[in-house]
Amino acid sequence: DIQMTQSPSTLSASVGARVTITCRASQSVNYRLAWYQQRPGKAPKLLICQASNLETGVPSRFSGSGSGTEFTLTISSLQPDDFATYYCQQYYSNPVSFGGGTRVEIE
Amino acid sequence: EVQVLESGGGLVQPGGSLRLSCVVSRFTFRTYAMSWVRQAPGRGLEWVSAISSVGGTTYYADSVKGRFTISRDNSKNTLFLQMNSLRVEDTAVFYCARGLNPGGPYYFDSWGQGIRVTVSS
Repeated sequence: DIQMTQSPSTLSASVGARVTITCRASQSVNYRLAWYQQRPGKAPKLLICQASNLETGVPSRFSGSGSGTEFTLTISSLQPDDFATYYCQQYYSNPVSFGGGTRVEIE
Repeated sequence: EVQVLESGGGLVQPGGSLRLSCVVSRFTFRTYAMSWVRQAPGRGLEWVSAISSVGGTTYYADSVKGRFTISRDNSKNTLFLQMNSLRVEDTAVFYCARGLNPGGPYYFDSWGQGIRVTVSS
């Protein structure tokens, strides 16, 4: 099974800051990597698939990059709505697996 | 807008059973794979099970294999999760989610609001 590791687990930042979250896979997942945002008490929301393809309606301040075993999610200018937990997920092989999450907090 | 609505959760004793349902609307259910993903209190997301669009192929996490059964009724736009031999560690919010990437493995673009399952004596 493929293990997904995110870092950091918690990140404190101010509105307007540039934020980067890293996701590492225990083996190559090619480009089969999705990112989700989850606000407290809410369902996850798909942000990015195929490592860098932004879902329709997701603000352009979000971007994804990487391939193989190392991926990043970047928020270019953090907005109040962005304070949430972010998860990566590999869908290269079954069982699909999520990273442990990165909580983005207000500094 | 796609709608996904779970039901059937609640409190059950260890060793007991529960059946979750997920009714969807505003998309052609029979053409999409579906999945269940859970989240234990204060924890991250854990994929549980998936089923192909016509129901011919099912997948399970090792943690639930042999205890949970996923199924679907395409005539009723409904997904099910039969959960038997429930354990305290199955306590979680269970999400129903639409799967993308035809043929799998899947990622998930539409999620329900979640349904809480509590296993406790």
